[in-house]
Amino acid sequence: DSGVTQTPKHLITATGQRVTLRCSPRSGDLSVYWYQQSLDQGLQFLIQYYNGEERAKGNILERFSAQQFPDLHSELNLSSLELGDSALYFCASTGAGRPQETQYFGPGTRLLVL
Amino acid sequence: AQTVTQSQPEMSVQEAETVTLSCTYDTSESNYYLFWYKQPPSRQMILVIRQEAYKQQNATENRFSVNFQKAAKSFSLKISDSQLGDTAMYFCAFMKPESMDSNYQLIWGAGTKLIIKP
Repeated sequence: DSGVTQTPKHLITATGQRVTLRCSPRSGDLSVYWYQQSLDQGLQFLIQYYNGEERAKGNILERFSAQQFPDLHSELNLSSLELGDSALYFCASTGAGRPQETQYFGPGTRLLVL
Repeated sequence: AQTVTQSQPEMSVQEAETVTLSCTYDTSESNYYLFWYKQPPSRQMILVIRQEAYKQQNATENRFSVNFQKAAKSFSLKISDSQLGDTAMYFCAFMKPESMDSNYQLIWGAGTKLIIKP
């Protein structure tokens, strides 16, 4: 158990809908990273937050947005969902968001868009 | 831009054998961080081992060790005395050093599917 929690574990929805994925970092960690993993592929970095502020952006679609709240949990919002958005979404956390820190991953949220 | 290549899509070995997974990367940085993560059928992403580029000594964690060849930009993972529980996807990942843009994303290889046979 990495100490990073993600809810829900599974999500099934229809095209055009909007969903929210939630992540709670490890106790004491200030930085959260979001990744998308499509079927049997490597991870694609979406976005990073540090202490409530957006720090870095990767290949995140305009239909996707995220935020980190004062209690440090983070939410990833996916809207106008398409079939291709079906994937496993991970969040990871580190203490200070520095590159030498190991990223510890949550169990992921499996999203299926029908 | 940095890239990570894992040239073995799938490998299969017998239990108790030793197996080596390859990873090469491309970067112009002199200091950086390399990681191996394991993703078992549960899909949880688990850190196996990490290596700092400035350290010449190869990292070791129990049955897992790396062969880090900085000049060749190679970072292979050796699993000794393989066990059934080692069956998983293994991903190699690269992290650049600290910089002004503060963009610290892991760059991932495509993964190697490792099957340990009884």
